Amino acid sequence: DTAVSQTPKYLVTQMGNDKSIKCEQNLGHDTMYWYKQDSKKFLKIMFSYNNKELIINETVPNRFSPKSPDKAHLNLHINSLELGDSAVYFCASSRGLAGGQETQYFGPGTRLLVL
Amino acid sequence: SQKIEQNSEALNIQEGKTATLTCNYTNYSPAYLQWYRQDPGRGPVFLLLIRENEKEKRKERLKVTFDTTLKQSLFHITASQPADSATYLCALHGSGNTGKLIFGQGTTLQVKP
Repeated sequence: DTAVSQTPKYLVTQMGNDKSIKCEQNLGHDTMYWYKQDSKKFLKIMFSYNNKELIINETVPNRFSPKSPDKAHLNLHINSLELGDSAVYFCASSRGLAGGQETQYFGPGTRLLVL
Repeated sequence: SQKIEQNSEALNIQEGKTATLTCNYTNYSPAYLQWYRQDPGRGPVFLLLIRENEKEKRKERLKVTFDTTLKQSLFHITASQPADSATYLCALHGSGNTGKLIFGQGTTLQVKP
């Protein structure tokens, strides 16, 4: 049983295209996150949702739009893809917010390559 | 701004030795610090959490220390094995109750048989 799953695993696309990445967790968690890991391996928070409500929205270009249809799903839509968007995108979930005490469970990642 | 530093150079050690990884932070006083393991091509996996009032935390061969005066955490793996080879990330909780974690860039450990 996969706790946090993401699709697709790999995404190769042309600059200017629009693409979506989907994430689902079956842990019953209230909070979900999107992270970006660049080529230097820095893992940076992009967004988080708690019970479908947007909690964190870091300084991310508005070409990136998260959507949480229910608390088990968090999708990421990217418009007008740019070369600099190439990275690995990780979805994660936690039981709640709890000020940093909560363990985060990560998905396997989506490797995005923009050509 | 909050900054976390981990040794970006890979750490190479011999099997059976103790590996010690360092996480330093500045401009911040986190209440919690977490360590994660990341294998190539995979997402990070949680290992340990330590609170600011805990000096040390152990789990099997793993030990974490948290020195809030030095603003440093040390992560030890005793009796290291080749299977311990991975990248280890430290993470501090961001301010407020947002669940935000700020990650270091990770240190890659290579354990040679």
